[in-house]
Amino acid sequence: GDSVTQMEGPVTLSEEAFLTINCTYTATGYPSLFWYVQYPGEGLQLLLKATKADDKGSNKGFEATYRKETTSFHLEKGSVQVSDSAVYFCALRGGGSYIPTFGRGTSLIVHP
Amino acid sequence: DVKVTQSSRYLVKRTGEKVFLECVQDMDHENMFWYRQDPGLGLRLIYFSYDVKMKEKGDIPEGYSVSREKKERFSLILESASTNQTSMYLCASSIGTLNTEAFFGQGTRLTVV
Repeated sequence: GDSVTQMEGPVTLSEEAFLTINCTYTATGYPSLFWYVQYPGEGLQLLLKATKADDKGSNKGFEATYRKETTSFHLEKGSVQVSDSAVYFCALRGGGSYIPTFGRGTSLIVHP
Repeated sequence: DVKVTQSSRYLVKRTGEKVFLECVQDMDHENMFWYRQDPGLGLRLIYFSYDVKMKEKGDIPEGYSVSREKKERFSLILESASTNQTSMYLCASSIGTLNTEAFFGQGTRLTVV
């Protein structure tokens, strides 16, 4: 079945540092890929998405590129802020199933 | 904006009680989902519904049931609450198209004592 693997956290960075959170997936077909963010005590909200190979999703300074050849969708941001501290989930949908499949989440902690 | 609303942010229930978690969405979405979230385990699918009165078991349905009598409402029922059901419960909805994103409610943190 479909699966998503993302790097374990927590990831701890200083403000203005460069962020990468790795995400790889296994799926049949041609899934769409997503990054969600969860702030403390809240539900998940969509951060960005890409629906086909080589698409780049971007939002709020975050970017991720759909790489079919490496089955990856790594999240990057050039300069993180304290307010980016949250849990980030990589997800896919539309591979072997229409049920959204999530990674285990990566906690990001940004210090001033 | 799509809104998914869960009836409670925090709940405390006693062991053996029957517990109802309610979720309502306002965008006429066909698909609705219930997940539970536990530290280190990520999101695990309990049940999902692809249309009114339709339901399918997810990965961890034991001890739970669901009801979807109207398109906008998807209820999760804990038949007899146990302490190992203490968790964060997340409801989500989406349109029926394969590659679209899911929209989440704010979550219900349930504590069973």
